[in-house]
Amino acid sequence: EIVLTQSPATLSLSPGERATLSCRASQSVNSYLAWYQQKPGQAPRLLIYDASNRATGIPARFSGSGSGTDFTFTISSLEPEDFAVYYCQQRNYWPITFGQGTRLEIK
Amino acid sequence: EVQLLESGGGLVQPGGSLRLSCAASGFTFSTYAMSWVRQAPGKGLEWVSTIEDSGDSTYYADSVKGRFTISRDSSTNTLYLQMNSLRAEDTAEYYCAKSRVAAAGVGAFDLWGQGTMVTVSS
Repeated sequence: EIVLTQSPATLSLSPGERATLSCRASQSVNSYLAWYQQKPGQAPRLLIYDASNRATGIPARFSGSGSGTDFTFTISSLEPEDFAVYYCQQRNYWPITFGQGTRLEIK
Repeated sequence: EVQLLESGGGLVQPGGSLRLSCAASGFTFSTYAMSWVRQAPGKGLEWVSTIEDSGDSTYYADSVKGRFTISRDSSTNTLYLQMNSLRAEDTAEYYCAKSRVAAAGVGAFDLWGQGTMVTVSS
């Protein structure tokens, strides 16, 4: 099973700042990595697929990069609505696995 | 409107059974792989099962293999999850999710339902 390790567990930032989240895979997942945002009481929302492609309707301040085992998710300038939990997910191998999540909180 | 609507959750005793449904609308259901993902209270996301667009291939997490069965009915655009031998650790919000690309196996999940809660307790 591919283990995805997200860091940091919690990130405290202010609106307008840049957020950088990491996801490391226990073995290569090529570029088959996605990022999701989840707010309390809501279903997850797809932000980035295949490591660096923004999903439909996702603002340009969200971006993803990386391949193989190391991936980065960036929010260039935080908006108030961006404070949430973010998960990475790989689909290169069965079983599909998710990272444990990074909580992005307001400082 | 493109949407997924789950139903069938509830309270069940350990060892009991439950069948979840997910009604799809607004897209060509028969051409997309579909999945179930769950989230225990206060915890992260856990993939449960996927069925390919044709229904011929199914995949399961080890934690549910042999107890859960995923299926689909393209005549009614409905995804199902039959859950048997339920355990306390199966307590979670269960989401159905659509793969992003048609006829391309499992992809990133670009459409999620609102979830249905399953509680396994005596």
